[in-house]
Amino acid sequence: ILNVEQSPQSLHVQEGDSTNFTCSFPSSNFYALHWYRWETAKSPEALFVMTLNGDEKKKGRISATLNTKEGYSYLYIKGSQPEDSATYLCAPYNQGGKLIFGQGTELSVKP
Amino acid sequence: NAGVTQTPKFQVLKTGQSMTLQCAQDMNHEYMSWYRQDPGMGLRLIHYSVGAGITDQGEVPNGYNVSRSTTEDFPLRLLSAAPSQTSVYFCASSRDRVGGYTFGSGTRLTVV
Repeated sequence: ILNVEQSPQSLHVQEGDSTNFTCSFPSSNFYALHWYRWETAKSPEALFVMTLNGDEKKKGRISATLNTKEGYSYLYIKGSQPEDSATYLCAPYNQGGKLIFGQGTELSVKP
Repeated sequence: NAGVTQTPKFQVLKTGQSMTLQCAQDMNHEYMSWYRQDPGMGLRLIHYSVGAGITDQGEVPNGYNVSRSTTEDFPLRLLSAAPSQTSVYFCASSRDRVGGYTFGSGTRLTVV
């Protein structure tokens, strides 16, 4: 079973602040790294899937980087807005085909 | 496209009863998974499938069975419901390992 750790567990920022979260995972047997956004009372939605060491993905104000050698990924949000409030989940995909989720970082953005 | 459809949305079971949670997708996705969401535990993988006829266990498979006779459907069976199985269950599908998963809207199950 993969050991996926996300930090911090929760984060409270003001509108306009930039923020970042960390996802760490075992680097052995790695295939891909997924990031999801999960709003309260909704279902998780895919943000990024990254496979290569050094990969960087961007979607609007949200971006992510991947380091497969040391087993970590960062998610950045530039200029946070109240609508960014959600739980952000990372999930490494191993060679066996299992997508195992971390417990997430809960972001709250105050106007 | 309907995406991933889960039924029922809500269910109350008595301890010892059995039932099947339905999951269907119309996107011709090969990969399908079942997760349960519990407070403080995040999403935990129950069972998954990488194609019709192929299933495997996830992190918490005990008490659940799955089958994948078609690409579209991936039902989850609770053999003998226990209060510890009270949870929200999500089904998800993806075209392959590098495609993001699409999640269903969830089934809220209470076992009394």
